[in-house]
Amino acid sequence: AQSVTQPDIHITVSEGASLELRCNYSYGATPYLFWYVQSPGQGLQLLLKYFSGDTLVQGIKGFEAEFKRSQSSFNLRKPSVHWSDAAEYFCAVGTPMNYGGSQGNLIFGKGTKLSVKP
Amino acid sequence: GAVVSQHPSRVICKSGTSVKIECRSLDFQATTMFWYRQFPKKSLMLMATSNEGSKATYEQGVEKDKFLINHASLTLSTLTVTSAHPEDSSFYICSAREDGRALNEQFFGPGTRLTVL
Repeated sequence: AQSVTQPDIHITVSEGASLELRCNYSYGATPYLFWYVQSPGQGLQLLLKYFSGDTLVQGIKGFEAEFKRSQSSFNLRKPSVHWSDAAEYFCAVGTPMNYGGSQGNLIFGKGTKLSVKP
Repeated sequence: GAVVSQHPSRVICKSGTSVKIECRSLDFQATTMFWYRQFPKKSLMLMATSNEGSKATYEQGVEKDKFLINHASLTLSTLTVTSAHPEDSSFYICSAREDGRALNEQFFGPGTRLTVL
């Protein structure tokens, strides 16, 4: 079965420091991978996505992620964190439509809460 | 582009009443929409997949008669929580997949906070 693991429940970094949020997936085919960010009481905003091609993906707000098939990982990075980046971050894997009866839904990890110290 | 709205953003109701939540794709057509539920400090759990013109597909453990889904047009899906109880209190989020767009990309609404007293 498909699954997504975000090993870190809560991470605190200092403003200006670099950030890496981990995501590992279990999937039987080429995955479609996503990172979303959620501010308190809000919906989800797409940061970036990987479907195919270049394994280093650039997203909005200065985020990037690298797909590593050998490690089944899709870690999110940012070189310098800003206080406004404090939020909950979700990694998700998408199942292709009609794969195992799927209608193309997303499977989410449990999320990593990011706190930023001044 | 690709904006999804939800209404209401917040609702408080008495136990035993029914609540309808609307999910609209504002600038695109969406044959398929998804309904998620999110408990405090928890991830999103897919409740059901809503398809225009056909019955919704519910995930295991989700009561079809309790969470009624109607997808009557290519831009609107509704979730009705029937005979709501305090345990139904949660954050409900919908998403829509744009017709003709590649693969799995979904656009999320801002969510609806339901509180059942």
